[in-house]
Amino acid sequence: GAVVSQHPSWVICKSGTSVKIECRSLDFQATTMFWYRQFPKQSLMLMATSNEGSKATYEQGVEKDKFLINHASLTLSTLTVTSAHPEDSSFYICSANLRLAGSVNTQYFGPGTRLTVL
Amino acid sequence: AQSVTQLGSHVSVSEGALVLLRCNYSSSVPPYLFWYVQYPNQGLQLLLKYTTGATLVKGINGFEAEFKKSETSFHLTKPSAHMSDAAEYFCAVSYGGKLIFGQGTELSVKP
Repeated sequence: GAVVSQHPSWVICKSGTSVKIECRSLDFQATTMFWYRQFPKQSLMLMATSNEGSKATYEQGVEKDKFLINHASLTLSTLTVTSAHPEDSSFYICSANLRLAGSVNTQYFGPGTRLTVL
Repeated sequence: AQSVTQLGSHVSVSEGALVLLRCNYSSSVPPYLFWYVQYPNQGLQLLLKYTTGATLVKGINGFEAEFKKSETSFHLTKPSAHMSDAAEYFCAVSYGGKLIFGQGTELSVKP
């Protein structure tokens, strides 16, 4: 249980184009999902918290107009990188928050999406 | 402020040897602690978590971790390393609904 998928697993795009990444919780509902960015040999950097039915909460320094997040259902959140540039090339990972009664909320992660902007 | 420190960015062990990955945390409230593993070009997989109760937590793949409040530590251990354990390991503390990660420790396993 607690499976999270991401699509696509990798994408190559031209500078100036927009790219959408999907994050789905396959066997549970998640009112909260998270989007992270990871540079090579580094830890995860939280970009934003995605809340179903409301606006995402962005971390300091993350451009909300560049990284558009939509959480339209309890099983799907999307991250759109708008007008992508080479410096946006990175590994993007999502997670979905599993809430169980009597237990602490636990994040389950997707497999990640490798974005390369040419 | 909550923070996590993983001592040693890289640990190398021989196959069959003990694995010890160190994690120290700083938290102003009773912590919820997690260990995740990341294989190359993949997302993170939950190994184990500590919430309350028993301080020795057993996880998947033979890993376990012990919460020591007096030492503010949550070290990850495995009695006998396997080649398939080679990966990046992240310790994390939960705060305000978010995870705060350590810098990660790369585990190498020599045959």
